[in-house]
Amino acid sequence: SQQGEEDPQALSIQEGENATMNCSYKTSINNLQWYRQNSGRGLVHLILIRSNEREKHSGRLRVTLDTSKKSSSLLITASRAADTASYFCATTGGANSKLTFGKGITLSVRP
Amino acid sequence: SQTIHQWPATLVQPVGSPLSLECTVEGTSNPNLYWYRQAAGRGLQLLFYSVGIGQISSEVPQNLSASRPQDRQFILSSKKLLLSDSGFYLCAWSVGRRDTEAFFGQGTRLTVV
Repeated sequence: SQQGEEDPQALSIQEGENATMNCSYKTSINNLQWYRQNSGRGLVHLILIRSNEREKHSGRLRVTLDTSKKSSSLLITASRAADTASYFCATTGGANSKLTFGKGITLSVRP
Repeated sequence: SQTIHQWPATLVQPVGSPLSLECTVEGTSNPNLYWYRQAAGRGLQLLFYSVGIGQISSEVPQNLSASRPQDRQFILSSKKLLLSDSGFYLCAWSVGRRDTEAFFGQGTRLTVV
């Protein structure tokens, strides 16, 4: 079963705008991760936030985690056409590191 | 550095034929290994998960099986493919600790005809 649920399912923005994507999950987690997938390719890890962290930055990426609401958001600032891809949140929980993914968000950045 | 190899990239197989997809990891030892399936336009469904040789957890009842004959080799198999087995199959590995990222292969596009 899938743990994470991203929203919106699809997002279309203009280059230069910020893109905000949300993820909600159901059970307690050890960490939450965001991945990116270009069409027809494997996934690439973007950022990991631990359950005891609230915010993390990496370049133009900002991730927040609210464990009380069981939700996370990924913000991409100053988006570029090259950011066009599908974005997935994934969680690990319990005693193992099994990684469970959401359904993903399709981001289109118009040049 | 670590690398993951997954092949073939594309595969067209008739219904009822067997399947064998192979994934190997280099540059690390005792990785956690994963097989995921992604239907068109959908999220990733975890199929199998392995924390060591011969240790396979099946996440979804299905027509597929997995084996880990060596530490860094993970094989996805089927004796008789169904049309519903079509999809994009992804192999991944992670270090056997909780707070680490996963590294993905480039995937295999399987079409069952």
